[in-house]
Amino acid sequence: DQQVKQNSPSLSVQEGRISILNCDYTNSMFDYFLWYKKYPAEGPTFLISISSIKDKNEDGRFTVFLNKSAKHLSLHIVPSQPGDSAVYFCAASVTGAAGNKLTFGGGTRVLVKP
Amino acid sequence: DAGVTQSPTHLIKTRGQQVTLRCSPKSGHDTVSWYQQALGQGPQFIFQYYEEEERQRGNFPDRFSGHQFPNYSSELNVNALLLGDSALYLCASSLSGAENYGYTFGSGTRLTVV
Repeated sequence: DQQVKQNSPSLSVQEGRISILNCDYTNSMFDYFLWYKKYPAEGPTFLISISSIKDKNEDGRFTVFLNKSAKHLSLHIVPSQPGDSAVYFCAASVTGAAGNKLTFGGGTRVLVKP
Repeated sequence: DAGVTQSPTHLIKTRGQQVTLRCSPKSGHDTVSWYQQALGQGPQFIFQYYEEEERQRGNFPDRFSGHQFPNYSSELNVNALLLGDSALYLCASSLSGAENYGYTFGSGTRLTVV
């Protein structure tokens, strides 16, 4: 039972353009969502998050949108840079549940072409 | 400020053997979570330790066990290794109650079972 899904395994985008990564979830108990970025041979690094009480959160070039009714979130990267080439994971948690464990999607590999 | 440290970085074991992986959390963090990331998939939650107790457990068999020490460091033990246990094992640390500020992940231990 995959509660968090990233249906696009890969994405290729030109430098300077927008990258849009999508994530769907099925568990309505999830109320906190995070995006992590992973380079090869490194652990995932926290990128940006959003609480279910919001529908948008912005941090520099990164914006996360949440559509609770559709159980869908997306990450926008504008403008995309070659250093953004990595695997991006969407994750979700239930606030207040002991430890707030993360449930991850399968990841989207992003390639930004110069 | 050291982040999360995991050892060893790589390990090759034979089916049926036992393995112990180690994790030192980020300074100031008191909670350690372990994740298994199979090739091409997102990390899957194994369990979490807080105050030297297992606080939460994912859908993993009893062959997977852990421990947390008074200095918050942690070990993951896997008994009777199967080929399917080959994966990247990630340790993540956090401060209890502040998980929504983002977990800090280590670079992982790559386990290969032959």
